[in-house]
Parts: sequence; C-alpha cells; structure tokens
Amino acid sequence: GENVEQHPSTLSVQEGDSAVIKCTYSDSASNYFPWYKQELGKRPQLIIDIRSNVGEKKDQRIAVTLNKTAKHFSLHITETQPEDSAVYFCAASMWDKIIFGKGTRLHILP
Amino acid sequence: GAGVSQSPSNKVTEKGKDVELRCDPISGHTALYWYRQRLGQGLEFLIYFQGNSAPDKSGLPSDRFSAERTGESVSTLTIQRTQQEDSAVYLCASSGHSNQPQHFGDGTRLSIL
Repeated sequence: GENVEQHPSTLSVQEGDSAVIKCTYSDSASNYFPWYKQELGKRPQLIIDIRSNVGEKKDQRIAVTLNKTAKHFSLHITETQPEDSAVYFCAASMWDKIIFGKGTRLHILP
Repeated sequence: GAGVSQSPSNKVTEKGKDVELRCDPISGHTALYWYRQRLGQGLEFLIYFQGNSAPDKSGLPSDRFSAERTGESVSTLTIQRTQQEDSAVYLCASSGHSNQPQHFGDGTRLSIL
C-alpha cells in the first residue's frame, strides 16, 4: 500500500521568511496530493492540492510542487505570518483512501 | 449546516464501558473516513467507506473497534470495553469521491477515566 513520509517534523522560521515542507510517497500510481493545515484544537482544513498532471500550483503565498519521477512533493509558504503557525499534513491518494504524512509543526518566530 | 457534523463533541466515560460516536457527512458525499488523533500526534487511519463497496477496515486497531454506515449517510464508530489508551480525538471526514478533497468534522474528544 501507499506510504507517505513527511519532513521535518518541526520547523521554526522567522516571520517574513519562507517555509518548505517535503513529502515523499511510495506508490507511483498515486495521482492526488492534498495539503491540510490544522490549528491547535481545530479540525484539519484543506489549504491546497495538486494532481499528477501538473507540476506546480500556487495560491497567493502558498505553492505546491510535484516531482512524479522522484515521487516527492513540497509545500512552500512565502512571507510567513504568525497565523501560519499550525501543523501541516501532506497526503497522497490513488483511486482509494488518502494516506497522510505524520505532520510538520510550523512555528513562526516574531 | 453544510459541513461534516460529529456528535458528541466530548465524551467522558469509565474504562470498560462501550461508546458510540456519530458522523453525519456532507450530503451526497460517497466517501467517509474515520481517524484517530492522539494528543500532539498525526492522523491515524481507522476505516474507510466508499459507496456500497465493502469498507476498508485495515486501520482498526483491535476487534473492540467497529464502524457502520448506512448507504451514503450517517456512520457510527463503536468502541467496546474502552481502555485508557483509547483516549483521543476521533475525526470523521467525507469527500465526494475517494480522490477528492476531504472535509473534516470537529471531532469527538474521548476521555477514558
């Protein structure tokens, strides 16, 4: 079955700097890759997703890149702000259940 | 409302009791998932329903855990003879299809005394 590895587990960046979170997946047939943000005590919420027919997708300060050959995808947050502090989960899916990474706790330092 | 609804929001029970957690998915969503999230941890997959197909139960940690779903509507997760290690937030999510964005409920916080 699919296996998703996520790094780093914790990330601290200065406010205004960029943050990058990386994930790898094992099943080359996976074709859908969402990213979720979970603030403390709240539900996970989708922030961006990408399908295997594109290599990059942007939404304001957030972008996701996908390298199908290497089977890895990354989340990029630019100009980080205090409200970006949260846990971020990557995930991979084929036409089946979605498999999540273990999460990255992002701290934005003042 | 239009989102995924879970009840109860909090449940405190004594060790050894049975508990039943409920999830109302978004109307029309064929896929429904249950996850367990221990404090400060990730999302542990429990079970997945897709339409009328047989559910994927591969994540259920023991035979004390079971779940049902009637058609494409409400699902219930039952934990029998609860243990302290069952304490966690149980999250439900639904999606239009297995390969589409999941929408999560607020979860049920289960505390076993």
